[in-house]
Amino acid sequence: QVQLQESGPGLVKPSQTLSLTCSVSGESISNGGYYWTWIRQPAGKRLEWIGRIYAGVNTNYNPSLKSRVTISADTSKNQFSLTLNSVTAADTAVYFCARVGIVDVPQAADVWGQGTVVTVSS
Amino acid sequence: IVLTQSPGTLSLSPGERATLSCRASQSVSSSYLAWYQQKPGQAPRLLIYGASTRATGVPDRFSGGGSGTDFTLTISRLEPEDFALYYCQQFGGSPPYTFGQGTQVEIK
Repeated sequence: QVQLQESGPGLVKPSQTLSLTCSVSGESISNGGYYWTWIRQPAGKRLEWIGRIYAGVNTNYNPSLKSRVTISADTSKNQFSLTLNSVTAADTAVYFCARVGIVDVPQAADVWGQGTVVTVSS
Repeated sequence: IVLTQSPGTLSLSPGERATLSCRASQSVSSSYLAWYQQKPGQAPRLLIYGASTRATGVPDRFSGGGSGTDFTLTISRLEPEDFALYYCQQFGGSPPYTFGQGTQVEIK
């Protein structure tokens, strides 16, 4: 059974860097069959796709965040990470990591972490 | 691509049929259209992918359809556990990939 688990600080100061990690069990993130994805949800708002990494090194980002976001992978730990620079209150949200299929269950997020709340405040 | 869901809220009784709409600002390949259910404090749960294929373990009272710019999610007979928030999502073409704003299905 594939499981994803987000971890990281719940409180980040404005202008600083948000860093989250998604630990994956039950599937290797080096498996080229999936996009390992970050999605966020501000309170009361729709879900927002942040970006993805696949085959361990290839990344795509939401253009609205591209200048501030980096997604990377540590295949030895079977984890992938999100870094978001220069955060503001608008970055306050629940952050989810998710698995999106390329072949199996294509182009849909079939496994999600439980989400982690990140608040940007001084 | 902007996804617009309607109605915003659907008030129905258990046993009734629910029809949720998702309209895209431009054509979306059916292969890239999915539906999710979300309950308070939980992550979304995949219900339908490829516009009409039920995900593993999803009851057959859930069905999806549509093509082009208009897609629907139908719940044939609402069970108490079906009252929740539903999102459509497209992961086609180039980023950004987008979600609808959601339809809340509430108990009447």
